[in-house]
Amino acid sequence: SQKIEQNSEALNIQEGKTATLTCNYTNYSPAYLQWYRQDPGRGPVFLLLIRENEKEKRKERLKVTFDTTLKQSLFHITASQPADSATYLCAPGGSARQLTFGSGTQLTVLP
Amino acid sequence: EAGVTQFPSHSVIEKGQTVTLRCDPISGHDNLYWYRRVMGKEIKFLLHFVKESKQDESGMPNNRFLAERTGGTYSTLKVQPAELEDSGVYFCASSQARGNGYTFGSGTRLTVV
Repeated sequence: SQKIEQNSEALNIQEGKTATLTCNYTNYSPAYLQWYRQDPGRGPVFLLLIRENEKEKRKERLKVTFDTTLKQSLFHITASQPADSATYLCAPGGSARQLTFGSGTQLTVLP
Repeated sequence: EAGVTQFPSHSVIEKGQTVTLRCDPISGHDNLYWYRRVMGKEIKFLLHFVKESKQDESGMPNNRFLAERTGGTYSTLKVQPAELEDSGVYFCASSQARGNGYTFGSGTRLTVV
């Protein structure tokens, strides 16, 4: 069955550093992969989408890579700020419109 | 633009009762999705509407769950009768075109006691 793993449930980093979150998937060949941010008591907020034919996508301080050989996506936040603290979810998607979510990584940026 | 609106934000009902959740998607978004997160688990897909038609309902747990989308606008998700394991947060999301990312509502937290 399809399986999505996100690195460590919690990640703490110092303000100003780069946070790197990992999403690995197995038994799956997604056509694209989305990353979302979720704050407590709120719904996920869409951040970035990267397609299988794209190696890298950037948006302001965010960068996503997608390696279909390794079956892995990396999500980077550069110059991290305390306001970046949240749970980040990866969600591969395919020909069906539905998304499959990982369990998320809770990021805490320490001032 | 207004976001995806879900009502109610919280609902506490007794086992065996009926509950109806409502979702108002972003105006003009043809695609509407329902997802659910039960305690300690990942967010799971329930079903997908394109306008008023059910495109995919493979994630619906059982026939106690009924979703409708009247006129291709708002959607309702009814649970009848509710069971304890139905407790969780139900999210609605909408999108216009493939590849644009989904806009989620804040969810309805359902507690069945």
